[in-house]
Amino acid sequence: DTGVSQNPRHKITKRGQNVTFRCDPISEHNRLYWYRQTLGQGPEFLTYFQNEAQLEKSRLLSDRFSAERPKGSFSTLEIQRTEQGDSAMYLCASSADRFQIETQYFGPGTRLLVL
Amino acid sequence: GQQLNQSPQSMFIQEGEDVSMNCTSSSIFNTWLWYKQDPGEGPVLLIALYKAGELTSNGRLTAQFGITRKDSFLNISASIPSDVGIYFCAGQSLMDSNYQLIWGAGTKLIIKP
Repeated sequence: DTGVSQNPRHKITKRGQNVTFRCDPISEHNRLYWYRQTLGQGPEFLTYFQNEAQLEKSRLLSDRFSAERPKGSFSTLEIQRTEQGDSAMYLCASSADRFQIETQYFGPGTRLLVL
Repeated sequence: GQQLNQSPQSMFIQEGEDVSMNCTSSSIFNTWLWYKQDPGEGPVLLIALYKAGELTSNGRLTAQFGITRKDSFLNISASIPSDVGIYFCAGQSLMDSNYQLIWGAGTKLIIKP
């Protein structure tokens, strides 16, 4: 396994369009996280899954955002009716639940630009 | 809410110099993680610390988990050009049962030519 992968790496879209990003975590990891990062800032937590269950969502995650992890493996993050303020890097991370210790490994990110 | 202060915000150093950065939290952590992020890429895990007082090295990098469980530092010895990037600390608080990480704002390392 080569680590967390994300697709696409870059996405340019027009305001109002829907976009979907995919994350493939490290295969034995049961936790999967989505973050958003804007220039000059650290990652901001959006949501996370333990297996297929979405356990927490940040207040940052508006109704236009939805995430799924249907089989407990890969995950998708969809943004509907994109706005210019959605432009950011969207990062996915995964971790294994071991003795309540959290070590997250990140993918390369999907950079979204909304025109 | 819980906060994590990372300093310095940026560093301008000469190649070959040693670098030191640190993070302090307002609450007790049980995990400290140090990541490096290059432009346009995701953060890459450098060092993970799980025990108070723990000192761990990864090549020229050394990090320590503070005895008070409220701070951590990262040292880079003999810096080289590829060390340029943004370094983030992140920690897991004992008070958070959802295993979420709290992140510092990053330290940008710039090496003067």
